[in-house]
Amino acid sequence: DAGVTQSPTHLIKTRGQQVTLRCSPKSGHDTVSWYQQALGQGPQFIFQYYEEEERQRGNFPDRFSGHQFPNYSSELNVNALLLGDSALYLCASSLRGHEQYFGPGTRLTVT
Amino acid sequence: RKEVEQDPGPFNVPEGATVAFNCTYSNSASQSFFWYRQDCRKEPKLLMSVYSSGNEDGRFTAQLNRASQYISLLIRDSKLSDSATYLCLGTGFQKLVFGTGTRLLVSP
Repeated sequence: DAGVTQSPTHLIKTRGQQVTLRCSPKSGHDTVSWYQQALGQGPQFIFQYYEEEERQRGNFPDRFSGHQFPNYSSELNVNALLLGDSALYLCASSLRGHEQYFGPGTRLTVT
Repeated sequence: RKEVEQDPGPFNVPEGATVAFNCTYSNSASQSFFWYRQDCRKEPKLLMSVYSSGNEDGRFTAQLNRASQYISLLIRDSKLSDSATYLCLGTGFQKLVFGTGTRLLVSP
């Protein structure tokens, strides 16, 4: 039974560019949440998708957007990258928003 | 005031010790709580859910005190392998909120 997978593992982008991160949930899960984690901080909630719709959102600007596909996989898009967007981006899946299981994350560096 | 607060530590304890962490929350409408463990540069791993009646899993005990708005995690008989950062997660604030984490260092 595959757990949560994310791609890519690492990514280097230039300020102003756009990035897309991908997540496949754990088998049987239907909800995907995205988090940003800066070094030494707890994960910050970006948004959550269920039934292909954004259900909850944290305090992130509209530059952060997402999508959930019919197979429950999800993408996180960030436009107009800033240096401050450099972080570990974590995806977590759950069944209807209950216990969440995390993927290994994508480490994004913006130069 | 942060919605979920934790003492960042570090908590330095010897092997075999009992250690407890608290996590306070500000929104009384919060619904569910969880404890996660995170090793350096790894993803958080679910340790246990927290139930109102309290719950135990081996050496770990979690409790929720809704009146005082905090949750706790008790680790008995600490092992070297328990060294990690422990994060609490609260849901029901119209979003999901993690604390900043408490670092635990268990020494021989």
